[in-house]
Amino acid sequence: DTEVTQTPKHLVMGMTNKKSLKCEQHMGHRAMYWYKQKAKKPPELMFVYSYEKLSINESVPSRFSPECPNSSLLNLHLHALQPEDSALYLCASSQRLGQGISGANVLTFGAGSRLTVL
Amino acid sequence: AQSVSQHNHHVILSEAASLELGCNYSYGGTVNLFWYVQYPGQHLQLLLKYFSGDPLVKGIKGFEAEFIKSKFSFNLRKPSVQWSDTAEYFCAVTRRDDKIIFGKGTRLHILP
Repeated sequence: DTEVTQTPKHLVMGMTNKKSLKCEQHMGHRAMYWYKQKAKKPPELMFVYSYEKLSINESVPSRFSPECPNSSLLNLHLHALQPEDSALYLCASSQRLGQGISGANVLTFGAGSRLTVL
Repeated sequence: AQSVSQHNHHVILSEAASLELGCNYSYGGTVNLFWYVQYPGQHLQLLLKYFSGDPLVKGIKGFEAEFIKSKFSFNLRKPSVQWSDTAEYFCAVTRRDDKIIFGKGTRLHILP
């Protein structure tokens, strides 16, 4: 299995809703990432987990709350979002975090969850 | 600020033309370098990568890139493009702090 699976593919929510995005990989990767991508823009790093511990938080507002229940799963909990948070949310994984010569930090991306906040 | 710059935002070529997309990064330390591609309606996927060794790296679908350390560049090339190469191309850099930073992307449109 060489895929990163994201659900749901599409999500529409109001500003008072609570919802979650889910990401799953079975490649044995120990680093998992959330990126946000707006139309015609590059992916922007949000969070990185390494061995199920939060390693990087790019000063993301607290209305986004990541969770890594185990080495295969990554969630992004959403609460009180704003319309400007509408975007494609990408999950990615790599064998591990960090630089090297082995290619262990090559990202495998999921197809994304397209979020619309009304 | 440390950044990745892609000079061409939108490139239009005819089939069989040669392609070169520029990528420069401003980080002075050790970096790992990547090109990712996003075909229409598909997810981001790795095109090629450079970690060390031969600065000329070959990727999938006939693409190659050359790392020139003195110029802080990692330009993507293909001698003869095809209509199926229509996609958005992102240069990316992994820095010592483990962050992976993407350039703004180049939208490539190949005319049949």
